[in-house]
Amino acid sequence: GAVVSQHPSRVICKSGTSVKIECRSLDFQATTMFWYRQFPKQSLMLMATSNEGSKATYEQGVEKDKFLINHASLTLSTLTVTSAHPEDSSFYICSARQTRGTEAFFGQGTRLTVV
Amino acid sequence: DQQVKQNSPSLSVQEGRISILNCDYTNSMFDYFLWYKKYPAEGPTFLISISSIKDKNEDGRFTVFLNKSAKHLSLHIVPSQPGDSAVYFCAAHSIRLTQGGSEKLVFGKGTKLTVNP
Repeated sequence: GAVVSQHPSRVICKSGTSVKIECRSLDFQATTMFWYRQFPKQSLMLMATSNEGSKATYEQGVEKDKFLINHASLTLSTLTVTSAHPEDSSFYICSARQTRGTEAFFGQGTRLTVV
Repeated sequence: DQQVKQNSPSLSVQEGRISILNCDYTNSMFDYFLWYKKYPAEGPTFLISISSIKDKNEDGRFTVFLNKSAKHLSLHIVPSQPGDSAVYFCAAHSIRLTQGGSEKLVFGKGTKLTVNP
């Protein structure tokens, strides 16, 4: 399958700082990227959907100003957790899809710990 | 609102037997469904998908069945192998009717499959 690279795999940051997570599609052009958050022993919760060159669509309850998503090119989307707090600690996963009707491929995930 | 439900948190089968993983959904607007396999601390790996206009799709040992009237799909793995042990997620895709027609890909809570040698 197609390769999606997510970086970093782990990050520890201080409370109040911002963290950027990158999601790259390595061998295809991703017109759509999805960002998820996974709490321990729970499902992947969709945070937002982004399309290249347009604003992301956020799920209800997800703060747009806290979780900034940029999908500036067909191979790169970034999620920035602004003013991180300990409750933002979680496993964040991105996925990328080329065209509608095709499967989405996932990155390896990022374990964020806010101390 | 859990639109995609996997009611069995775990399933244990013997090697060589069939594994059947079930998934129910509530939104009739989903246009295709996918199954993913996930190991701890890794991103999900795509297994197989099915369009809402079909009732079966097969790929090697994996077959997905869709019953639209019951809003139910299942993943069959036969024969099951110890390497199949993982958490399996059912996912469903839809197009939002509002917000510019952007997409959603939502997941169930997963079923942990254990295949015993």
